[in-house]
Amino acid sequence: KAGVTQTPRYLIKTRGQQVTLSCSPISGHRSVSWYQQTPGQGLQFLFEYFSETQRNKGNFPGRFSGRQFSNSRSEMNVSTLELGDSALYLCASSLPRTGGNTIYFGEGSWLTVV
Amino acid sequence: AQRVTQPEKLLSVFKGAPVELKCNYSYSGSPELFWYVQYSRQRLQLLLRHISRESIKGFTADLNKGETSFHLKKPFAQEEDSAMYYCALSYTGTASKLTFGTGTRLQVTL
Repeated sequence: KAGVTQTPRYLIKTRGQQVTLSCSPISGHRSVSWYQQTPGQGLQFLFEYFSETQRNKGNFPGRFSGRQFSNSRSEMNVSTLELGDSALYLCASSLPRTGGNTIYFGEGSWLTVV
Repeated sequence: AQRVTQPEKLLSVFKGAPVELKCNYSYSGSPELFWYVQYSRQRLQLLLRHISRESIKGFTADLNKGETSFHLKKPFAQEEDSAMYYCALSYTGTASKLTFGTGTRLQVTL
């Protein structure tokens, strides 16, 4: 079956702009989570959505937001971009079990803010 | 707050030598521990989790609650083991919220 798909794969934005990243989970997966990966901070949890509701949230400013649609696809949005937002943004999906579930990651969206 | 520490950024070993990638965690409850691996130009993928107690690609990891460690071990390193390895933790009810360590790059040389 198809893996987690993220679009776009690469993008360049200017400071102050906003960006929307898209994620299509594995078919049947209803939980989608987002992570930011940077050389300095490593992999950091942004938020998780399940059944269109945000279930968990990391320590990121309100400029970072997300949503999930009824087909489990998810988007994340970053407004008023800053240079420090340059990162690889990873989406992951899983079945909604609280224990023993496997999280599958996408290839990520590389965001460069100039 | 939970934290995962991987003290080594780079571990270089010879082919056939034993490998131990260190991972320590801090969490007051009962965590679930994982090892993820990222091979060159591939996506991050689960290698193993402590509750499965299984060996994947010759790797094993034992959760030591007394020492709060979850070190990854393999008796004989292979070239194809060269990759970035991340230790991660989640806790009950938040299985999709992972706290990652900073990662260790394993380099296996001939």
